[in-house]
Amino acid sequence: EAQVTQNPRYLITVTGKKLTVTCSQNMNHEYMSWYRQDPGLGLRQIYYSMNVEVTDKGDVPEGYKVSRKEKRNFPLILESPSPNQTSLYFCASRHSPFRGYYNEQFFGPGTRLTVL
Amino acid sequence: SQQGEEDPQALSIQEGENATMNCSYKTSINNLQWYRQNSGRGLVHLILIRSNEREKHSGRLRVTLDTSKKSSSLLITASRAADTASYFCATGDTGNQFYFGTGTSLTVIP
Repeated sequence: EAQVTQNPRYLITVTGKKLTVTCSQNMNHEYMSWYRQDPGLGLRQIYYSMNVEVTDKGDVPEGYKVSRKEKRNFPLILESPSPNQTSLYFCASRHSPFRGYYNEQFFGPGTRLTVL
Repeated sequence: SQQGEEDPQALSIQEGENATMNCSYKTSINNLQWYRQNSGRGLVHLILIRSNEREKHSGRLRVTLDTSKKSSSLLITASRAADTASYFCATGDTGNQFYFGTGTSLTVIP
């Protein structure tokens, strides 16, 4: 089954304790992205990757890191989480990022993160 | 910010009625997409309309795009209880960033 998976689904942590949220897709998509969703703010893009070893900042990259060492995986790293990073996080992927070829994004089930 | 805004924020209708929600955005786009999100779950793509298209249909969905007004509308005809969800528009620019609106929460009453 074609899907995007995220782990963990739920996480409660404390300020400053480094964490990683994993994201994996099995559709051979070039493009992957991370979003956070907050009430009243909709979804905001954190980082995206157009292919292996190629990453770019989205709208709200501060406090986050990403890496793209393999095509299928795109982990989100919070080196020193703070309470304002409490949010619902979504990973997404899609096919070719080439301009002029736009298509749908497939979303993971979400990771609900609470930073105390 | 290029973020779009959906209107209304919340909509409640009876089953069988039509639901219309609107999306406005701020800058030039290459395409606009609509997504559905069931409570607390991932988003599911519904339909994509390109900037050179004015209207598109998919099953009970009808999307229009007016680039001169920087707005789009999503019409769901003959709504069902299963359509209860939040609906988001997302715009893509010439790069690879996507901007989502704040969503319309639709409740369809059986």
